[in-house]
Formats: sequence, structure tokens, C-alpha cells
Amino acid sequence: AQSVSQHNHHVILSEAASLELGCNYSYGGTVNLFWYVQYPGQHLQLLLKYFSGDPLVKGIKGFEAEFIKSKFSFNLRKPSVQWSDTAEYFCAVNAREGSSNTGKLIFGQGTTLQVKP
Amino acid sequence: DGGITQSPKYLFRKEGQNVTLSCEQNLNHDAMYWYRQDPGQGLRLIYYSQIVNDFQKGDIAEGYSVSREKKESFPLTVTSAQKNPTAFYLCASSISPSYNEQFFGPGTRLTVL
Repeated sequence: AQSVSQHNHHVILSEAASLELGCNYSYGGTVNLFWYVQYPGQHLQLLLKYFSGDPLVKGIKGFEAEFIKSKFSFNLRKPSVQWSDTAEYFCAVNAREGSSNTGKLIFGQGTTLQVKP
Repeated sequence: DGGITQSPKYLFRKEGQNVTLSCEQNLNHDAMYWYRQDPGQGLRLIYYSQIVNDFQKGDIAEGYSVSREKKESFPLTVTSAQKNPTAFYLCASSISPSYNEQFFGPGTRLTVL
């Protein structure tokens, strides 16, 4: 069965520190990749996505992620975090099976990021 | 103002009672999804619908049922057969199954007493 693994469950950083959250998936075929963020009390919203093309994708609020196909990874990065980045972050994968696509997303367990001012 | 609405925000029910969670979208999206979110487990897919009058089971469908009689509505019923129903439930939609960026509603927190 396909799965998505986020290795860091709880990360605590000081403002201005660099961030990297790991995401690995298990599926050998074509994938679409996403990072979603859930700020306290808010909707889950899309940070960035990868469908094809340049494996380095840029998202909102200075976040970026790199798709490394050989490592089945899609790690999220930000050079300098702010207190307002405190949130829960989810990696998600859509595995395209054959010619059809159900649109199903498989989510990782989530990483809680706490940024200290 | 386009988006996905879920009601109510908080719901309390007694054990053994069925309860229906509402999900409405005015984005004209074909596909809709229901997820359950538990601490440390991420989001798990309950049911999904690629088009009106059609739906499929997700990974944890036991104890749940859905309907998709209208494009904009995808209600979820949590039945008494669901062994551990207390959770945060999220509804999502996407333009189509093949374009799978999903937009999420605010969620309903269900507590079964």
C-alpha cells in the first residue's frame, strides 16, 4: 500500500532559523506532491505543489520544496522562519494509477512546527 | 464568496446515535472528499466522490456512509457502527479528480459522549 512518512513530528525553532521538514513516500509510479499547512484555528491550505517540470517548487510565504525522484522525497524548506509560521504541516501524495486518476491524496502524519519569538 | 462550508463547527452526540455532517461547496467542483483527522495520524480518507450520484470508499469507510445527490453537497453520516467516532472531520473538493489540488473546509469536531 502507498504511504507517506514525515519523520519530524514536532519541531521547535527560534525565529530566523532555517527549516527543513522531511517527507518520503512509497510509490514507484507517477506522483503529484503537495504540502499543506494548518495554522491554529484556520482551514488547511495549500503551501505548494509539484505536478511536473522543475523539481524545485516555490510556494507561498517563502516556502520551497524539492522533489528528488530517486529518493522518493519531497522535503519542505524555508531559509528563515518567523513566529507566524507556527502551524502543523502535512505532506500529501497523489499516486496516478494507470490512465485514470481518482484524485485521492495520501497524507503524512503531520509535523507540528513551533517557532519561538 | 466561494468556498467550502461545513456545519456545525462542534457537534456532540450520545453513543449509539447516528449523526450527519454537512459539507457544501459553491466552487463548481466535480470531486469531493471526506477525511478524518486524529492527532499524530494525519488525514485519512473516508469516502470520495468523483462526480454527482457516484462515490467510493476510502481507506477507513467502515461505520460511515455518504450521498452525492447534488454537485454542491456531500453529507457524511457517522453511524453507530463506527467504533471510535470522536474526531475532527474535514471535507474537501477539487475541480476534477485528475486535477487533484484539494480545497478544504473549516472542519467539524465531533464528540461522542
